[in-house]
Amino acid sequence: KQEVTQIPAALSVPEGENLVLNCSFTDSAIYNLQWFRQDPGKGLTSLLLIQSSQREQTSGRLNASLDKSSGRSTLYIAASQPGDSATYLCAALNAGGTSYGKLTFGQGTILTVHP
Amino acid sequence: KAGVTQTPRYLIKTRGQQVTLSCSPISGHRSVSWYQQTPGQGLQFLFEYFSETQRNKGNFPGRFSGRQFSNSRSEMNVSTLELGDSALYLCASSFGLAGARTQETQYFGPGTRLLVL
Repeated sequence: KQEVTQIPAALSVPEGENLVLNCSFTDSAIYNLQWFRQDPGKGLTSLLLIQSSQREQTSGRLNASLDKSSGRSTLYIAASQPGDSATYLCAALNAGGTSYGKLTFGQGTILTVHP
Repeated sequence: KAGVTQTPRYLIKTRGQQVTLSCSPISGHRSVSWYQQTPGQGLQFLFEYFSETQRNKGNFPGRFSGRQFSNSRSEMNVSTLELGDSALYLCASSFGLAGARTQETQYFGPGTRLLVL
C-alpha cells in the first residue's frame, strides 16, 4: 500500500527566501509524482507533474525533482513571495491496472511567506 | 475552457439523511474521480468513473456510491449520514486514457463542503 509523507508539516519564511519542500513515498512503482497547491477552502491546482522516467520538471520559479530509487521528491521554490502562501501537496499515481484515477496524497506542507 | 464545476458548494445536513453531490468535468474529459478531504485523514480517494463505468474504488463503506452519466457528469451519494462524513468533497477530471496515465494530471473542482449535524 502506497504511503506518502511530507516534511515539514509547516514552514514560515520571509519573502525572498529559496525553500525546499520534501515528499517521500514507499512504493516506487509509480506512473508519476505530482505537486499541487491548495489555497484555504479551495480546490487543488496542479503545479508540476514528473513522469516516472523523468528526474525533474520546471515551471517558472518552481522546480520539482524525482528520485524513484530512494522514494523521494522535492519541490524547490525560488525567491518566495507572499502569494506563494498555501498548502502544498504531493501525490503519487501508482502503476498497475487498478490505479485509475487514484492519487495517494501526503498530508501537505503549510507554507507561509511573510513580507 | 471552463474548469471543473461542483454543486452545491456548501451543504448542511443532519445525521441519518442522505446527500447527492454533483460534478461537471472539463469538456472532453471522460474520467471523474472523487476524493474526501478531512483535517485528520487528509485527501482520500473514493472512486473513479470513466465512460459511465466505475474503474476504481477506495476503502469507503457502501454508504458512499457514485455514478456517471453519458455526458461525463458525475454524482456521488452518501446515505445515512454520520458526523464523520463532514468534509470537503473534491472531484477531479481528466481524459482518463489508460495509455496516458504517465503524463496526465487531474484537474480539480472547488469542492463541496458538507457539514453533518
